[in-house]
Amino acid sequence: EAQVTQNPRYLITVTGKKLTVTCSQNMNHEYMSWYRQDPGLGLRQIYYSMNVEVTDKGDVPEGYKVSRKEKRNFPLILESPSPNQTSLYFCASSLSRRGQEKLFFGSGTQLSVL
Amino acid sequence: ILNVEQSPQSLHVQEGDSTNFTCSFPSSNFYALHWYRWETAKSPEALFVMTLNGDEKKKGRISATLNTKEGYSYLYIKGSQPEDSATYLCAFNSNSGYALNFGKGTSLLVTP
Repeated sequence: EAQVTQNPRYLITVTGKKLTVTCSQNMNHEYMSWYRQDPGLGLRQIYYSMNVEVTDKGDVPEGYKVSRKEKRNFPLILESPSPNQTSLYFCASSLSRRGQEKLFFGSGTQLSVL
Repeated sequence: ILNVEQSPQSLHVQEGDSTNFTCSFPSSNFYALHWYRWETAKSPEALFVMTLNGDEKKKGRISATLNTKEGYSYLYIKGSQPEDSATYLCAFNSNSGYALNFGKGTSLLVTP
């Protein structure tokens, strides 16, 4: 089944404790991206990747890191989480890097930073 | 960040009613307009990707139109059903970048 697998679904952590949210897609998609969803705001892009070893900042990259060492995986790393990073996170992928291809979303990660 | 506006913010209709929402986006540098349906506790799923002025797309009881010259798209739901209850997101892509800029969504509740 074609899908984007994101883990974990829920995560509670404390300020400063490094964490990684994993994202994997099995559709051989070139483009992968991370978004965060906060109440009253639209989905905001954190980072995106157009292919292996090619990553770039989105609109809200501060406090996050990503890597794309393999085409299928695009983990989101929070080196030193802070309470303002409490949010709902989505990984997404699409066939190509241009905007005419629909996004496939992962199931989301609800992160709470205490 | 490019400004994408959706209206109304929320909508409550009765089963069987037809309804529509609006997505407004910058009319310059248009590349693509996406519609997604997001049910509670699930992830957003693509409904339509529209690229040409005048495009009309249909999927069952849901349809969408696109006007790139004036910068708006309408999403219509004919004969709403309770299972249509969800948040409907639109997203705009300009030809000057790779990002999809999302609106805040329209939350639809359909009651029997």
